[in-house]
Amino acid sequence: ELKVEQNPLFLSMQEGKNYTIYCNYSTTSDRLYWYRQDPGKSLESLFVLLSNGAVKQEGRLMASLDTKARLSTLHITAAVHDLSATYFCAVDMSNFGNEKLTFGTGTRLTIIP
Amino acid sequence: ETGVTQTPRHLVMGMTNKKSLKCEQHLGHNAMYWYKQSAKKPLELMFVYSLEERVENNSVPSRFSPECPNSSHLFLHLHTLQPEDSALYLCASGHRDRGFTEAFFGQGTRLTVV
Repeated sequence: ELKVEQNPLFLSMQEGKNYTIYCNYSTTSDRLYWYRQDPGKSLESLFVLLSNGAVKQEGRLMASLDTKARLSTLHITAAVHDLSATYFCAVDMSNFGNEKLTFGTGTRLTIIP
Repeated sequence: ETGVTQTPRHLVMGMTNKKSLKCEQHLGHNAMYWYKQSAKKPLELMFVYSLEERVENNSVPSRFSPECPNSSHLFLHLHTLQPEDSALYLCASGHRDRGFTEAFFGQGTRLTVV
């Protein structure tokens, strides 16, 4: 059974600081997604990573994928309050005949002024 | 306007009621999903429909009954629910044949069972 683990589960950081959220998964996949969820809202797609070594950047967020290590990271640079949200990674097994995404537990990020 | 629309946004129902959740996607996708999001739990996949056929049922109790009449619409019929079924129910859609399954989510229905 595929397991997807994120850490930390909760992260409180000051504005202007840098930090990294980690997503580990237990089986082979070369497709991984990052989503953002604001309280009471739906999930917003942030990044689609489709190969080993893929790196995507949008504003202060940068995501990378290492399929050999079964690890993805979401790096936050010079955090601002607007980035406060819960971030989920999701592993895609569709190239193995599995139609679904398996989500991590989420990382609740709070940016403190 | 989101490409995936869910109604209602909020629903309160008694344990003996029957209700339905509706999801509609305007993205031309051919796969649709129901997820359950409970407090302090990862998103749980409930059902997957691909090309209008159910391809996955993740051991969901029979009091939840999905229906996919066409590739744009997905329903979740609810009956005799339990209080522990209270959660945010998220619908998502994706395109099955593009080599990956990025899912686009609706706003969700916040369900409270009393």
